[in-house]
Amino acid sequence: QVQLLQSGAELKKPGSSVKVSCKASGGTFTSYTISWVRQAPGQGLEWMGGISPMFDTTNYAQKFQGRLTVTADKSTSTAYMELSSLRSDDTAVYYCTRLLPYPSGSSPYWYFDLWGPGTLVTVSS
Amino acid sequence: QSALTQPRSVSGSPGQSVTISCTGTSSDVGAYEYVSWYQQHPGKAPKFMIYDVNKRPSGVPDRFSGSKSGNTASLTISGLQAEDEADYYCCSYAGTYRYVFGTGTKVTVL
Repeated sequence: QVQLLQSGAELKKPGSSVKVSCKASGGTFTSYTISWVRQAPGQGLEWMGGISPMFDTTNYAQKFQGRLTVTADKSTSTAYMELSSLRSDDTAVYYCTRLLPYPSGSSPYWYFDLWGPGTLVTVSS
Repeated sequence: QSALTQPRSVSGSPGQSVTISCTGTSSDVGAYEYVSWYQQHPGKAPKFMIYDVNKRPSGVPDRFSGSKSGNTASLTISGLQAEDEADYYCCSYAGTYRYVFGTGTKVTVL
């Protein structure tokens, strides 16, 4: 049973960077993609980007290009999301989520089937 | 990429049916049979409820169903129950390994 475990809450100053981790316990880390989705207070879900640990390839939403870096460490089954030049409107809960072909590996379509508990990042001076 | 448009809220009495719409464009919802829905209770992570427009993962009650017509997808909850009170989000593939979520709908059980 795979679980996604995220690092703890962060308080950051405007202009700084934050790095959030997401450790996958159980399963084969390289058989799926890890994506990051954020949710500002009282707002909806927003896809940010993701990484394929197997191929070490990344994809980012255009909105975050240049500010977002997603990496993965296969040896520890951990993915990381680093967001730089933080602003107050980056205050949000950041979720990591598993993206994989569903319901099986032969499916052409991939879905976010498993989510981490979320990490609150607060940006305030 | 703009968020998919959902009604802010819908409500119904226990046992009734409610339907949530999710309107996108010909570049996302209209382009792919690749729509999913997620349920989120307050303070919790989203839960995967519907995939391939109208299929349910194992464990999701059959009172949840999905459909799509053109650029609009829909989620219907039949036989509404108290535990269905939550926020619901649609999600569509938007090409080139990108995804877009809906604005979210709060379902209230009266």
